[in-house]
Amino acid sequence: EVQLVQSGAEVKKPGESLRISCKGSGYNFSTYWISWVRQMPGKGPEWMGRIDLSDSYTNYGPSFQGHVTLSSDKSINTAFLQWSSLKASDAAMYYCARHTTVTTPFDHWGQGTLVTVSS
Amino acid sequence: SALTQPRSVSGSPGQSLTISCTGTSSDVGDYNYVSWYQQHPGKAPKLMIYDVSKRPSGVPDRFSGSKSGNTASLSISGLQAEDEAEYYCYSYADNYTFFVIFGGGTQLTVL
Repeated sequence: EVQLVQSGAEVKKPGESLRISCKGSGYNFSTYWISWVRQMPGKGPEWMGRIDLSDSYTNYGPSFQGHVTLSSDKSINTAFLQWSSLKASDAAMYYCARHTTVTTPFDHWGQGTLVTVSS
Repeated sequence: SALTQPRSVSGSPGQSLTISCTGTSSDVGDYNYVSWYQQHPGKAPKLMIYDVSKRPSGVPDRFSGSKSGNTASLSISGLQAEDEAEYYCYSYADNYTFFVIFGGGTQLTVL
């Protein structure tokens, strides 16, 4: 069974750093890409960026370029989303999702990681 | 900006309804890479339709997709209580290295 399991909810202060994770199982992890999607309360999803797990090549959405970093560790079938300095506006639910190319759909999603940023 | 969806739709059990998703000639109108996702409260999105009209394994054939010009549509026939959820459309949009765009979401209520 294909599964993407994300790390647990986080509560952080503005200015703090954070890394959340997405662990894949039940499939050949490195042959897929992982995209990250932000969903703010009551809003539609926003694509943040993607990482090609075969070579760690990344693309970022215009709103997220320079603010977040995507990475992966193939040895543990895990992708990461990282902030070096959180803002209050980063508070949201974050999902990882897998796909194979730029045009294939996100066919499996993680359960989501809730990030709370408050002073 | 996001693809445009109606904020809400509703129907009675057994009825049919359609949810629209309007984009531009740079996304929905130019590519047949439109997907639809169903999201129940507190759950991750679930893929219901991809490539405009294809259904993943396990998705009931009550769900169907289509596209005309810059507008894609998700149709649901024989509405059931469990169909009550938020629905999001998604399109590939090659206006960046790789860019995908979602709709704002439509709340489907089964009366």
